[in-house]
Amino acid sequence: AQSVTQLDSQVPVFEEAPVELRCNYSSSVSVYLFWYVQYPNQGLQLLLKYLSGSTLVESINGFEAEFNKSQTSFHLRKPSVHISDTAEYFCAVSDTLTQGGSEKLVFGKGTKLTVNP
Amino acid sequence: DTAVSQTPKYLVTQMGNDKSIKCEQNLGHDTMYWYKQDSKKFLKIMFSYNNKELIINETVPNRFSPKSPDKAHLNLHINSLELGDSAVYFCASSPFWSYEQYFGPGTRLTVT
Repeated sequence: AQSVTQLDSQVPVFEEAPVELRCNYSSSVSVYLFWYVQYPNQGLQLLLKYLSGSTLVESINGFEAEFNKSQTSFHLRKPSVHISDTAEYFCAVSDTLTQGGSEKLVFGKGTKLTVNP
Repeated sequence: DTAVSQTPKYLVTQMGNDKSIKCEQNLGHDTMYWYKQDSKKFLKIMFSYNNKELIINETVPNRFSPKSPDKAHLNLHINSLELGDSAVYFCASSPFWSYEQYFGPGTRLTVT
């Protein structure tokens, strides 16, 4: 079974400051990793994913995450945040062995990012 | 066009009632899911269906019964609602053999 730990439940930052949202996972098998974002009163949107290949993955709105297998981490970073980045961010993991509709995501408890002016 | 839609968006009901939440996806995906998000924003999978067949059935009270009339629809029926059922329920879908899931806007269920 997998588990995900998001170390910070809330992260307040000022606009244009850098931010890092931490995510660690536990699994006995290889995993795929995801970051989802949930804006207030909305559903979850996939922000970025690591399936294979380069360990550094990027989103279209400036976020990036790096898969570190030795540290079992997948931290999310942005060099300069905007007020519009205020949202809840969820790290999720899925093992690579399940197939055919069994691909369940195990989520962390979320990190609320608040960007202040 | 809405990719994954859910109805209703809000549902307020009393303990003991029976209610249903509907989900539809127009993405042509084969797999659909139900997740529950509790008051602390913790998300947990409840069920998954692949082409109308139940695949994942987590430890969920049997008062919850999913139904998939076709692969574009996955409904959730809840019998004898309890206070602890209050949560936001999210539907999601994904293509077969894919790990990318697309979520609906959620249904906020409040049981009084």
